[in-house]
Amino acid sequence: DGGITQSPKYLFRKEGQNVTLSCEQNLNHDAMYWYRQDPGQGLRLIYYSQIVNDFQKGDIAEGYSVSREKKESFPLTVTSAQKNPTAFYLCASSIDTERLFFGSGTQLSVL
Amino acid sequence: SQKIEQNSEALNIQEGKTATLTCNYTNYSPAYLQWYRQDPGRGPVFLLLIRENEKEKRKERLKVTFDTTLKQSLFHITASQPADSATYLCALDSRSASKIIFGSGTRLSIRP
Repeated sequence: DGGITQSPKYLFRKEGQNVTLSCEQNLNHDAMYWYRQDPGQGLRLIYYSQIVNDFQKGDIAEGYSVSREKKESFPLTVTSAQKNPTAFYLCASSIDTERLFFGSGTQLSVL
Repeated sequence: SQKIEQNSEALNIQEGKTATLTCNYTNYSPAYLQWYRQDPGRGPVFLLLIRENEKEKRKERLKVTFDTTLKQSLFHITASQPADSATYLCALDSRSASKIIFGSGTRLSIRP
């Protein structure tokens, strides 16, 4: 079954803690994206990567970090510098920018 | 500054009517515009793409128009059904940076 998998579904972060959200795809897509969605809001771009070992900051990259060591994987770390991390995080992939395939999301909450 | 606006946060219409959602943008010149559907707690699902040289595109009960002069796209669902209730997001490409930018979405409710 081809697709994009995000884990975990729910994640809780303690103050001062870094947490990592997983995103894996077996669609053989070159491009991958991380978006943040707050209640009643649209999607805001955090980071994106068009090719392995390369990534660019989106509109709200502060307090986040990513890596792209493999084509299939694009993990997002929410660092302690992100003071308001509670949100729904969505990972997506695409062959080009004409259609994004999204995962089912990770809901991150602060304890 | 660059902006995408979906000018109805929520839209409530009766089953069987046509739902029309609006997406406006400023300071972009997108090559294409996309529409996605998002159900609560789920990731968005791609519906349609319309290119800058296309005025209209249809898929089953869905119709999208794209007016590059007005910088506006309209998304229509004809013969609406309660199952069409969801949030609909428009998105466009930022040619300068090869990234996709999303609007804030319109929450559509179809009442029986």
